[in-house]
Amino acid sequence: DADVTQTPRNRITKTGKRIMLECSQTKGHDRMYWYRQDPGLGLRLIYYSFDVKDINKGEISDGYSVSRQAQAKFSLSLESAIPNQTALYFCATMGTGANVLTFGAGSRLTVL
Amino acid sequence: SQQGEEDPQALSIQEGENATMNCSYKTSINNLQWYRQNSGRGLVHLILIRSNEREKHSGRLRVTLDTSKKSSSLLITASRAADTASYFCATDGAGANSKLTFGKGITLSVRP
Repeated sequence: DADVTQTPRNRITKTGKRIMLECSQTKGHDRMYWYRQDPGLGLRLIYYSFDVKDINKGEISDGYSVSRQAQAKFSLSLESAIPNQTALYFCATMGTGANVLTFGAGSRLTVL
Repeated sequence: SQQGEEDPQALSIQEGENATMNCSYKTSINNLQWYRQNSGRGLVHLILIRSNEREKHSGRLRVTLDTSKKSSSLLITASRAADTASYFCATDGAGANSKLTFGKGITLSVRP
């Protein structure tokens, strides 16, 4: 099993729908991150969490929310999806003091 | 905003040749990392170089860091077709509190 698991892997939805992307990890890492990847723009940080009670906005948090349900679970929600949220979304984890990210396989979201 | 900017954006070489990719950044860093992404998949960490290091090796990878020029280079020696992927530099900025900032990436194609 993958260390960082994202579900769903692919999702097509319509404008205005609520979408949740889920991430779970078996690394035992405290730090979890959600990134968005768009062609030609690299990865941009949406939200990050250093523990269950610590949630922080990244550079592009507008239109997104997150929930850290447990140390191992970090979900990303789009309350009302819009077409420019069509992207590849990555969850990643980092161990304390490790400085290196472990990525999930990604969730490809298409908003029509 | 992107901290790291890679150069070139795309690189095409013959198998067996060396591939050199560059990354420039803007602010002080704790460390700089290189990641690899196969098409549509999650990123995989390749190598990390700390701000007090100038050169580091890992297998066929050699990374250099020049903090005075705020730049890094990744050299892949004796490239293989399997090295075809996108490569990203990521900076862990001083005071960034374990938030990595990624560049836009370099697409490397290695022709058999």
